[in-house]
Amino acid sequence: EAGVAQSPRYKIIEKRQSVAFWCNPISGHATLYWYQQILGQGPKLLIQFQNNGVVDDSQLPKDRFSAERLKGVDSTLKIQPAKLEDSAVYLCASSLGQVGNEQFFGPGTRLTVL
Amino acid sequence: AQSVTQLDSQVPVFEEAPVELRCNYSSSVSVYLFWYVQYPNQGLQLLLKYLSGSTLVESINGFEAEFNKSQTSFHLRKPSVHISDTAEYFCAVSPLRAGSYQLTFGKGTKLSVIP
Repeated sequence: EAGVAQSPRYKIIEKRQSVAFWCNPISGHATLYWYQQILGQGPKLLIQFQNNGVVDDSQLPKDRFSAERLKGVDSTLKIQPAKLEDSAVYLCASSLGQVGNEQFFGPGTRLTVL
Repeated sequence: AQSVTQLDSQVPVFEEAPVELRCNYSSSVSVYLFWYVQYPNQGLQLLLKYLSGSTLVESINGFEAEFNKSQTSFHLRKPSVHISDTAEYFCAVSPLRAGSYQLTFGKGTKLSVIP
């Protein structure tokens, strides 16, 4: 079974530039999550999708971050414009979407903002 | 809202010695509890979880964790560690309600096994 795929794996940009990350979840997984993991901290949820609808985006900085999940499968996370403090690993995870289900994580995208 | 505290950021231990990684949580609702592991240059993987039933849960590679509701703890233990256990371990909680499956993570504990 293929795991969660993410691209790119690494990205370096300058502040005020834009960047986009892509995630392909495990086939059949209804729920998709984007987490931000800053160095030395645990992952923090940015947004949760159930199929193609947003369940929770309370911690997403909506002035600069946006995310979509078209057709309930792949998802993209965009930052525009990027700030220095956005340097982090962005993790995508998916699950079957029931309480207590395991979340499967992708390898992450390491973003460096200079 | 939930929060998770992992009391040790780094734990060095000699090979074949026992180890305990501590985790305490705070929540206004009942929660499920998880330990995830991140091996060097790999993604997060589920190690074990407590949903209900026996408060002692085990993983396939010899780790165990015990849910203690009165102390709001979910400490991870292994009686004898191997070099291959070197990794970062994250404790996480998820609220016990339908529709909200998000995980709240602790800051992680880096376990270094010394030969």
